[in-house]
Amino acid sequence: DAGVIQSPRHEVTEMGQEVTLRCKPISGHNSLFWYRQTMMRGLELLIYFNNNVPIDDSGMPEDRFSAKMPNASFSTLKIQPSEPRDSAVYFCASSWGAGGYTFGSGTRLTVV
Amino acid sequence: GESVGLHLPTLSVQEGDNSIINCAYSNSASDYFIWYKQESGKGPQFIIDIRSNMDKRQGQRVTVLLNKTVKHLSLQIAATQPGDSAVYFCAETENSGYSTLTFGKGTMLLVSP
Repeated sequence: DAGVIQSPRHEVTEMGQEVTLRCKPISGHNSLFWYRQTMMRGLELLIYFNNNVPIDDSGMPEDRFSAKMPNASFSTLKIQPSEPRDSAVYFCASSWGAGGYTFGSGTRLTVV
Repeated sequence: GESVGLHLPTLSVQEGDNSIINCAYSNSASDYFIWYKQESGKGPQFIIDIRSNMDKRQGQRVTVLLNKTVKHLSLQIAATQPGDSAVYFCAETENSGYSTLTFGKGTMLLVSP
């Protein structure tokens, strides 16, 4: 299995631009999670899906952030418009049932 | 231990030493705990887990200890190797793992050859 696949690995964008991060979970996993990692706040859960349905989006910072999971093999996290304070590493993770998550390699986002 | 500010606590050891990384968790209802290892430029990787009905669990070169009375978790790494250098996170959850994981701030382990 190729694991959780995220793209792009790095993204540099100008303030105000739209950014879309992509994730392909492990086949057969029924839960998908988006995390943001910064030195200040560590790993923060933004949103998670179960069976493609958003269950808890209370961690989404504000309306500029949105996430979708149109099918079991794909999810996106969109930021529109992006701001410098959104600069962070964004991780996608997936799991099946109870237990640990498998993380992707992350997308390092820099907003200038 | 856990970081409460900008700086990750750091543990520096010599190759071959045993390492102990500590974690204080906050939720007394948590019943499932996991240690993750994160190497530079990579996502967190599962190391070992433990459920609240256990006090100790051993893996290959790693042991996790759980003290529910004081809400403390530790990760012991035997014969630490340079490849063990990474940031280590503890994570906790309720409902036997069916709730979402909450991660600690992490501890950086530096292993000198």
